[in-house]
Amino acid sequence: DIQMTQSPSSLSASVGDRVTITCRASQGISNYLAWYQQKPGKVPKLLIYAASTLQSGVPSRFSGSGSGTDFTLTISSLQPEDVATYYCQKCSSTPWTFGQGTKVEIK
Amino acid sequence: EVQLEQSGAEVRKPGESLKISCKGSGYSFIHYWIGWVRQMPGKGLEWMGIIYPGDSDTRYSPSFQGQVTITADKSISTAYLQWSSLKASDTAMYYCARHSYAEYWGQGTQVTVSS
Repeated sequence: DIQMTQSPSSLSASVGDRVTITCRASQGISNYLAWYQQKPGKVPKLLIYAASTLQSGVPSRFSGSGSGTDFTLTISSLQPEDVATYYCQKCSSTPWTFGQGTKVEIK
Repeated sequence: EVQLEQSGAEVRKPGESLKISCKGSGYSFIHYWIGWVRQMPGKGLEWMGIIYPGDSDTRYSPSFQGQVTITADKSISTAYLQWSSLKASDTAMYYCARHSYAEYWGQGTQVTVSS
């Protein structure tokens, strides 16, 4: 099965900083990748699908890129409400594995 | 409006069986995969498996194959996740979600297994 590895596992950044999270697939998955945000005690929320398509209603400071095995989620200007754990998920062949998550905090 | 309504929290003893549910509304239930996701306390999201209610095609993560059973009753637009013999390690929050890109999620069902 294809494994999904996120890095870093956690990060702390200042408000306004540019934040980048990486997700690497152990084999190529084309652009079948989604990113989710989960705030503490809340249900996960879809941010980006097909690697780079912003879900409706998601602020434009979020963006995704990549194809094949390497993907990134970028927050262009970190806001206090972005404190959350972010997960990537492969959506090519099953199993549709999640990455282990990246916890984002405010410095 | 698309909604996934999950059944309420459950407390069971080890060895007991359990079936939790996820009822879809506001869309054509038979035409979308429904998946189940586990989140153990303080841990990340784990993809368990999916079912296509239209033909009951079911896929499992190798980690959960044989440990749980996913079914669906398309007549009542409801998917199920069931255990035949619970373990303490099954204590977790379980989410259903409409896949493949999980735009819609249920509110979660907390399952606690304790003697």
